[in-house]
Amino acid sequence: DTGVSQDPRHKITKRGQNVTFRCDPISEHNRLYWYRQTLGQGPEFLTYFQNEAQLEKSRLLSDRFSAERPKGSFSTLEIQRTEQGDSAMYLCASSSRSGSQHFGDGTRLSIL
Amino acid sequence: AQSVSQHNHHVILSEAASLELGCNYSYGGTVNLFWYVQYPGQHLQLLLKYFSGDPLVKGIKGFEAEFIKSKFSFNLRKPSVQWSDTAEYFCAVTHNNAGNMLTFGGGTRLMVKP
Repeated sequence: DTGVSQDPRHKITKRGQNVTFRCDPISEHNRLYWYRQTLGQGPEFLTYFQNEAQLEKSRLLSDRFSAERPKGSFSTLEIQRTEQGDSAMYLCASSSRSGSQHFGDGTRLSIL
Repeated sequence: AQSVSQHNHHVILSEAASLELGCNYSYGGTVNLFWYVQYPGQHLQLLLKYFSGDPLVKGIKGFEAEFIKSKFSFNLRKPSVQWSDTAEYFCAVTHNNAGNMLTFGGGTRLMVKP
């Protein structure tokens, strides 16, 4: 079973640096989602793609955050000029048009 | 904006005890409801979901949940828990006016003592 794959699993970086995460969804899924989860909280929605189109963005997604899904397959989430408050687990999920969302293992970001 | 409340943040039970985890949501329109589980070191997995029809939904591993529209609730139940049910449980909601974004509750951490 090839589930949702995220890379890297862990990222440690200094404040002010840029980071990029990758998500490979389940191959037949055309919908892809990014969420952020901080300690002791449930995941919070960041953005959603249907194929290559970014259809929804949360107010949590400041202008330092950008997400792409150029060919409607994998997606990248970039954070520019990282801040301490960006430390979190970044989760990717995918679904078919009418299906439930399947989550990856996440990328844990730590800002020094 | 819709919200999801899970009233119990931590629950400790002994094996064979019955489980009920509360979940309430704020949106008044048509909703889809989910329970996800996260075992230690693993990713979120779907336990069960409700879209329409019978409000009593059965999921994997003996879990069930009941949708009570008048109470805006979707409580998770299991008659007899096992040590392997130790995990964090998240209730989540989507509604027709918010695309497919999931709104999650804060989670309930369940510890089952052997």
